[in-house]
Amino acid sequence: GQQVMQIPQYQHVQEGEDFTTYCNSSTTLSNIQWYKQRPGGHPVFLIQLVKSGEVKKQKRLTFQFGEAKKNSSLHITATQTTDVGTYFCAGYGSSNTGKLIFGQGTTLQVKP
Amino acid sequence: GAGVSQTPSNKVTEKGKYVELRCDPISGHTALYWYRQSLGQGPEFLIYFQGTGAADDSGLPNDRFFAVRPEGSVSTLKIQRTERGDSAVYLCASSFGGGPRNEQFFGPGTRLTVL
Repeated sequence: GQQVMQIPQYQHVQEGEDFTTYCNSSTTLSNIQWYKQRPGGHPVFLIQLVKSGEVKKQKRLTFQFGEAKKNSSLHITATQTTDVGTYFCAGYGSSNTGKLIFGQGTTLQVKP
Repeated sequence: GAGVSQTPSNKVTEKGKYVELRCDPISGHTALYWYRQSLGQGPEFLIYFQGTGAADDSGLPNDRFFAVRPEGSVSTLKIQRTERGDSAVYLCASSFGGGPRNEQFFGPGTRLTVL
């Protein structure tokens, strides 16, 4: 079945450093979504990418969708302590159902 | 309501017992999803409803798990003969319209502990 993998599993950075998490799917995705889960919280939607090669920015966050629509990345510039949490990518396959497959997430710790 | 709500927030039960977990989606959201999240893992898809019908139940692990949404709003996830391996946080999400391209709004989850 479809699998979505993320690396790294954990990342510890000093406040102000950059951070990147990578997402890879075993199959071509129709689109990809990114969610953030704070410690003790629930996933919160960040963004959706649909087009091949698409790049979107949200302030210090940059999201990319690969040309083959099988991989994606999230890059945070100049991390802040408020960025702490687990970042999940989640993809829909091409079957057009509501089945969203999540990666295992990358947990970001930011040292002040 | 303002967001997705789930009850109870915590449920402790004994092995072999039956449990029901409830989800109230955002008003007007036609699609509803159930996920299970174990510690250190991403949410694992269980089932997706479009209206009253289960559009995709391929994530239900076995026939001990069943979910209903009789009026197209509130949903109940039912687990029979619970096992210790069922312990996890059960998340519910809803979206305006089903299928891809829709942002999912998650509830706070129900933490299930099977002793």
